[in-house]
Amino acid sequence: DGGITQSPKYLFRKEGQNVTLSCEQNLNHDAMYWYRQDPGQGLRLIYYSQIVNDFQKGDIAEGYSVSREKKESFPLTVTSAQKNPTAFYLCASSIWGVDRFMNTEAFFGQGTRLTVV
Amino acid sequence: AQKITQTQPGMFVQEKEAVTLDCTYDTSDPSYGLFWYKQPSSGEMIFLIYQGSYDQQNATEGRYSLNFQKARKSANLVISASQLGDSAMYFCAMREENQAGTALIFGKGTTLSVSS
Repeated sequence: DGGITQSPKYLFRKEGQNVTLSCEQNLNHDAMYWYRQDPGQGLRLIYYSQIVNDFQKGDIAEGYSVSREKKESFPLTVTSAQKNPTAFYLCASSIWGVDRFMNTEAFFGQGTRLTVV
Repeated sequence: AQKITQTQPGMFVQEKEAVTLDCTYDTSDPSYGLFWYKQPSSGEMIFLIYQGSYDQQNATEGRYSLNFQKARKSANLVISASQLGDSAMYFCAMREENQAGTALIFGKGTTLSVSS
């Protein structure tokens, strides 16, 4: 089945450690996105990527890093510089970039819940 | 400044009644898209409805309709005949294009509670 997969579902990190969240899609989508969601809050954009080997900072990129070496994959690293990393992280992808598909939605993964212990 | 504003943190409605969730947006781009997503307690994001900035008619999808008022920059979601399963968080989002690509920006959401 086509879709977007995030792993792991739950992740625990010790203070001062880097941790990488996985996001893979087999929808042949060009655009991919990472969001952070805090309890009772909306989704805030961390990074996004329109094409391979290119990505852009969103509203809250500090303390995070990404790579886009393959079209299917957009991993997010939460670095030790992120002071308050405990949150729910959502990855999304879309086919936007091709005019005739601009009326389609973005697809989301199931999310990764990161907790700092 | 917020690009997507949802002013209702929580809304309460009884089963079978209609409810309107408000959303206003801010953009100077003539081409944009507006989306509504539902997020149940499980955390998954469920796409509900889309409205393009050039669409002449308001979008409808089953019990969901979008009241699009372009001049007021508002895109309110109307849910008719509410069901218990509609209890969830609802997000308004805008697709905006820039030189770097296409970003999807979300509001802070509205929690809808449907009671019997």
